[in-house]
Amino acid sequence: NAGVTQTPKFQVLKTGQSMTLQCAQDMNHNSMYWYRQDPGMGLRLIYYSASEGTTDKGEVPNGYNVSRLNKREFSLRLESAAPSQTSVYFCASSEGVSRGTGELFFGEGSRLTVL
Amino acid sequence: QKEVEQNSGPLSVPEGAIASLNCTYSDRGSQSFFWYRQYSGKSPELIMFIYSNGDKEDGRFTAQLNKASQYVSLLIRDSQPSDSATYLCAVEAWGGGFKTIFGAGTRLFVKA
Repeated sequence: NAGVTQTPKFQVLKTGQSMTLQCAQDMNHNSMYWYRQDPGMGLRLIYYSASEGTTDKGEVPNGYNVSRLNKREFSLRLESAAPSQTSVYFCASSEGVSRGTGELFFGEGSRLTVL
Repeated sequence: QKEVEQNSGPLSVPEGAIASLNCTYSDRGSQSFFWYRQYSGKSPELIMFIYSNGDKEDGRFTAQLNKASQYVSLLIRDSQPSDSATYLCAVEAWGGGFKTIFGAGTRLFVKA
């Protein structure tokens, strides 16, 4: 049982390049989330998908786009990477919907460096 | 004002002492509150959740919630060096769907 799987685990980009972070969960969860974590900032919500077919902005959505491809997969795209997007990115999932978020289950994180 | 506020620490306590971690939140409509622990270089993991005013105990951990004061805390009794980690307070909020908002986290060091 893999839980939440993120790829890639490490990536170095040059300013202006684009890339997509992939996330998949095998727990049949309804809700999925993308967070970024910077030193001293805790986890900041970028985008979330409360259920398949819906996506909403979180606290820091600028510079990102997301796609809820199906119930299992939720991808995060950086169209034109900037050094300010250097961070550790975490994907998470939860049962969600009428029960609220409940416990979040996290992937191992993706460390992104933008030069 | 950030939605969830925590003292970033670091908080240093001797082994065997009680560690007290505090958190305030701004959304009065929030109903669910969580404490996650994150070891350095690892993902956060849930250690406690609380929905009702009062105390909730689980082993050495006690979560306390006061919705009138918009305050939630975590007590760790008989602190161990293995408790050294960052503790993240998280609050459930509504915005087109339920979402979880985190505080900046408090770093805890337990000295042997």
